[in-house]
Amino acid sequence: QQQVKQSPQSLIVQKGGISIINCAYENTAFDYFPWYQQFPGKGPALLIAIRPDVSEKKEGRFTISFNKSAKQFSLHIMDSQPGDSATYFCAALFNAGNMLTFGGGTRLMVKP
Amino acid sequence: ETGVTQTPRHLVMGMTNKKSLKCEQHLGHNAMYWYKQSAKKPLELMFVYNFKEQTENNSVPSRFSPECPNSSHLFLHLHTLQPEDSALYLCASSQEWTGIPYEQYFGPGTRLTVT
Repeated sequence: QQQVKQSPQSLIVQKGGISIINCAYENTAFDYFPWYQQFPGKGPALLIAIRPDVSEKKEGRFTISFNKSAKQFSLHIMDSQPGDSATYFCAALFNAGNMLTFGGGTRLMVKP
Repeated sequence: ETGVTQTPRHLVMGMTNKKSLKCEQHLGHNAMYWYKQSAKKPLELMFVYNFKEQTENNSVPSRFSPECPNSSHLFLHLHTLQPEDSALYLCASSQEWTGIPYEQYFGPGTRLTVT
C-alpha cells in the first residue's frame, strides 16, 4: 500500500515559470512532511519541510502548501530556473519516529 | 571527508558472488539507514539502525545482510543476488531525538548491477 502518492511523475516548465508538485497521504498519524531534491549522481537532500499545524511555509523560491483536511500538500517553485532541474520527492514521517515514507518522485525539467 | 560517503560508487557482480557495500558518516549521528532506489519503485527503506541496534527490517530478503559495527559505519553484505536487485543503494544518517523533526543526510549511493 502506497501511503504517499505523488504527481506528476514528470514536469517540464519554462524558465521563470511556476513548478507545482502535489502529494497526498493516507495516514493521519503522519505529522512531518519534508521535500527532498535529488540531482543525478547524488543522494537526495532536504529542501524544505512542514508540520501540519501550519498551512504554508516559504523558503526563498520554494513554498510548501498544506491542506490537513484534504490530506494533501504541494511544493511550489517560483521563478523556476534550469538549475532546479532535478527529481523531487515528498515524504511523510510519524511523530517520534525516524522512518520516512517517500512518494514516487517527480522529475522536473526547467527549459531555458 | 565530510557528510555521508559510500564505497564503491559502482559495482557489477554475478549472481553467485559475495560483495559488501560500505557507508561511513562523518556527522556524529546516531541513526543509519539503507535504502533501495530503482526505476520501478520510489525510495524503499530497507534497514534502520539506531544506536548500532537494528530497529527495522522492512521485509528485506536474507540475501541482503546489514552490519553496523559502530555508529559511524554501516555495511550491506550481498550474496546470491538476483538481476532484479540491480538498483541504486543509498545510505543515510540522522540524529534521532524523540519527538523532534530531524533531517536525514544521504550519501551519493552505490549503483549495483547484477549480471
